[in-house]
Amino acid sequence: GAGVSQSPSNKVTEKGKDVELRCDPISGHTALYWYRQSLGQGLEFLIYFQGNSAPDKSGLPSDRFSAERTGGSVSTLTIQRTQQEDSAVYLCASSEGQSSYNEQFFGPGTRLTVL
Amino acid sequence: AQSVTQPDIHITVSEGASLELRCNYSYGATPYLFWYVQSPGQGLQLLLKYFSGDTLVQGIKGFEAEFKRSQSSFNLRKPSVHWSDAAEYFCAVVLRPRNTGFQKLVFGTGTRLLVSP
Repeated sequence: GAGVSQSPSNKVTEKGKDVELRCDPISGHTALYWYRQSLGQGLEFLIYFQGNSAPDKSGLPSDRFSAERTGGSVSTLTIQRTQQEDSAVYLCASSEGQSSYNEQFFGPGTRLTVL
Repeated sequence: AQSVTQPDIHITVSEGASLELRCNYSYGATPYLFWYVQSPGQGLQLLLKYFSGDTLVQGIKGFEAEFKRSQSSFNLRKPSVHWSDAAEYFCAVVLRPRNTGFQKLVFGTGTRLLVSP
């Protein structure tokens, strides 16, 4: 079946612009996660959704970052007034449930470049 | 501070040679442990995981990992590396939850594996 998909695959934007990154999880997966992969920083957890609610937003780096999930499926990560330090690969993952026993399946990521 | 350490940024191995990638964690209790692989342009794929039981776990693609409590380590091994194994490898942990609620994955900074002919 289809895996996690993300769009766009690449996004180049100018400093100060807003960007939206999209994630389509595996059908039926109730849990959805966003991570950021920066050069030399590894992967950082950003936010987690269970259904449409986001019980853990602890990883969002600033109030310029927000995310929503509608219909328990597609999620959008929005970065307002982008800064150069926002340049990174943004990865989305989904799992059947929120338990640590549930494997997280990752999408290919969106590479964001802020000029 | 709680952390996951992958001390090797890059490793080069000859094709057919054995491989060991190191991972150490610093937590008060034994977490759940994972290894992921990321091929160029691809998302992360789970290689194997350890929750409890046998400390030697087998994964996909011929990989295995051994949990050593005394060393707080979970090193990844493969007896004979293939050129297609060239990728970035991430160790990750989840603190053992007291319930079935969400616990976030905490990743190491990764080890890039290069395979020479």
